[in-house]
Amino acid sequence: DQQVKQNSPSLSVQEGRISILNCDYTNSMFDYFLWYKKYPAEGPTFLISISSIKDKNEDGRFTVFLNKSAKHLSLHIVPSQPGDSAVYFCAASVRGTGTYKYIFGTGTRLKVLA
Amino acid sequence: NAGVTQTPKFQVLKTGQSMTLQCAQDMNHEYMSWYRQDPGMGLRLIHYSVGAGITDQGEVPNGYNVSRSTTEDFPLRLLSAAPSQTSVYFCASRGDTGDSPLHFGNGTRLTVT
Repeated sequence: DQQVKQNSPSLSVQEGRISILNCDYTNSMFDYFLWYKKYPAEGPTFLISISSIKDKNEDGRFTVFLNKSAKHLSLHIVPSQPGDSAVYFCAASVRGTGTYKYIFGTGTRLKVLA
Repeated sequence: NAGVTQTPKFQVLKTGQSMTLQCAQDMNHEYMSWYRQDPGMGLRLIHYSVGAGITDQGEVPNGYNVSRSTTEDFPLRLLSAAPSQTSVYFCASRGDTGDSPLHFGNGTRLTVT
């Protein structure tokens, strides 16, 4: 049972336009959400996060929105740049036995076209 | 800044062989973990550790062993490799607060023939 879902395997966007990546989750106990970016042959790198008590967090060109009632979060990239082309993973954190566990989605491959 | 270092980068094994994937971090993180990435499956947690001497199973622990004798190192052992273990393996660590993100190594690509 996939607790964190990224239903779009891929997305193409023109340079300069907005990229919107979506993520849905099923577990209402998740208390922290993160986005990671992954280039080929590299490990995922942390991009931005949001606590469950907030509905928006912004960092430069990247904004994450959280809609708890819909169990949905999205990552907006404005403006999109060719260097943003990568696979993006959303992740959710839940308190487990003695620590926090991170559950990842399956990823969305973003291609920004020059 | 080394961060999380994984070795080797690539490995080919025959079915039944054993090997150890190495992971070291220099950030003094208590929490360390191993994930595998497979097409269409995202990142799945294999094992994790909340400190030296303490390990626990994740979502997909079968076929893998771990131990944690120091804060810095968290090796992953495949005792008898199977083709189903062909994957990319990532080691990750994080700080102690609930909002600390995971820091990943660059991965080990393992092929079992």
